[in-house]
Parts: sequence; structure tokens; C-alpha cells
Amino acid sequence: DAKTTQPNSMESNEEEPVHLPCNHSTISGTDYIHWYRQLPSQGPEYVIHGLTSNVNNRMASLAIAEDRKSSTLILHRATLRDAAVYYCILSEMYSGGGADGLTFGKGTHLIIQP
Amino acid sequence: GAVVSQHPSRVICKSGTSVKIECRSLDFQATTMFWYRQFPKQSLMLMATSNEGSKATYEQGVEKDKFLINHASLTLSTLTVTSAHPEDSSFYICSARDQAGGYTFGSGTRLTVV
Repeated sequence: DAKTTQPNSMESNEEEPVHLPCNHSTISGTDYIHWYRQLPSQGPEYVIHGLTSNVNNRMASLAIAEDRKSSTLILHRATLRDAAVYYCILSEMYSGGGADGLTFGKGTHLIIQP
Repeated sequence: GAVVSQHPSRVICKSGTSVKIECRSLDFQATTMFWYRQFPKQSLMLMATSNEGSKATYEQGVEKDKFLINHASLTLSTLTVTSAHPEDSSFYICSARDQAGGYTFGSGTRLTVV
């Protein structure tokens, strides 16, 4: 799987938007961009995924650069419960064939200040 | 959405004994499940891929005789840590691919070997 680069940590204030960047300059044409987050002592939780177009769901938005070499996870209004480690992961296939596990990097530790 | 149940959430065992961890897909069938290990302050590391009805595939450096994986049904995979030692103390997390191809994670098992 292609590698991703994320800042080690970011800090934000409660109820403000948070933009978490991810660089993936070696992304291939079939790589999907996945975001997961992990709260302390829990398993990772799916946040959002996309291929080329920007995506929105109830948790977050995913903005994908036109050249797909970077993406940004957007939390529109952070709460204390959003404090977690956020992982940006590339995976070749989302649906259909393929059965590879995900390769986790170090992720971004998001700190939310009240 | 897809749910993966992992049990137990926490276990303490004596050095030299074996421990079994269960991972169940509750509302979907999972032909492929994954086992990860996470040491404190580190990211998740894929240990093995568990395939229903066939042998597991282990990542490089993971001892297959020490970490026994059984995936006897479409909803259950088990990981047995045999002859556990203190260095096996870690957070073990399972994951399953759901029918849409996404990854759902269990809540993890904190293993402490004393």
C-alpha cells in the first residue's frame, strides 16, 4: 500500500472546525483514501472514505485534491468526543475483490481544548 | 451498520498459559478477518489475515505456532496466544470486511501476561 504522511498532533478548540491534512504523493489510480479514528483503548472507527470526489457524511467531510496527492479530513464542529488519533490510509480496493488488511501509519493525535 | 464483537475486552494470564480471543461479525458474514496488535503509544500492526475454511496468512515476523488463528465459520475467528510471555502483553484488535468491502473493527482485547 502507498504511504501517507500526517502531522503527529494537532490541537483545536471545541466547537471550531478542524482540518486534518494527509499527504499521499505516491497514490495509485485504484487507491481509495480512508480515514479511521481511534479513541483511547478502543478499536479504530470508520470515519469516511473517497476516491476522487469530495465526500460528506454525518461525521465529517473529505476534501480530495484534484491530483489526489493530498486530502483533508474536515470536522465541521469539533467536540471533546472527537479527541482521538486519526489515521489516513490508502487501500487499493474498497468493494469487490481484494482482501488485504489495512496498513496504519502513526496518525494524527487530535487534541480538543474546551 | 456492520458490527464486530470482540471478547474478552480485557484478560490477565500467567506466563506460560494460553489465551483465546474471539472475534464475531454480528450482522454480516465475513469470509476474511484480520488480527492486529498494538503496543502502547504505537500504531496498529497487522499480524495475520484469517480466511474462513482455510489457513491464515501471517505477516512477516509473526510466529504462526504462537498465534493460532481459527476461522471455522463465516462469523467467528479466534486468536489463541499460546505459551504467553510478558512481551506478548499488548492490545489485540480484530477487523472484518463487511459485504460492502469496508473494514469494521472490534473493540480490542487488552492482554496482560504476568
